[in-house]
Amino acid sequence: DAKTTQPNSMESNEEEPVHLPCNHSTISGTDYIHWYRQLPSQGPEYVIHGLTSNVNNRMASLAIAEDRKSSTLILHRATLRDAAVYYCMLRTGANNLFFGTGTRLTVIP
Amino acid sequence: EAGVAQSPRYKIIEKRQSVAFWCNPISGHATLYWYQQILGQGPKLLIQFQNNGVVDDSQLPKDRFSAERLKGVDSTLKIQPAKLEDSAVYLCASSLEYSGVIDTQYFGPGTRLTVL
Repeated sequence: DAKTTQPNSMESNEEEPVHLPCNHSTISGTDYIHWYRQLPSQGPEYVIHGLTSNVNNRMASLAIAEDRKSSTLILHRATLRDAAVYYCMLRTGANNLFFGTGTRLTVIP
Repeated sequence: EAGVAQSPRYKIIEKRQSVAFWCNPISGHATLYWYQQILGQGPKLLIQFQNNGVVDDSQLPKDRFSAERLKGVDSTLKIQPAKLEDSAVYLCASSLEYSGVIDTQYFGPGTRLTVL
């Protein structure tokens, strides 16, 4: 059973906001939501994480639905360097984590 | 600060051969992870170490995969014997503390294994 569901791919114009959705309908109360991104031929890179409240950092914002069954990663102004595969990951406990299949983001100049 | 180092970056072997991957985590990071990433999929956790002890290896195919982290620093992941379905990128990651659900993982560039 997939714990997270993400669209396979999305496109965005450069300097436009991007909203990357993740569905995690089976999330439990103690699961944290993490986002990582992976550039070609590199390992994943941490983006942001949250539990219940919306979160902001210098890279992105994370909006978490009130029922926590979905979340959205928001890139406020997409740049060409943001082209990557974005993974939504659920983590319950220190050693129970699950990466989804990811969304490939293409940024159009 | 140096990142997570992995070697080799690429490896091609015949099925039934053995192979080993090496990982050097960020200095001072207590927790080390090994992942398998098959093409088109997200990373799958194989094993997690806290210092030199195994925290979780429930996803590690122990009949052919083994891993160790001597002295709580470097780690080696071995496959013996390899199968065609082991073709994947093997990622190593480390984190500063064993803080559970919120620790940030830092990934190495990975080793791409091709089994012919």
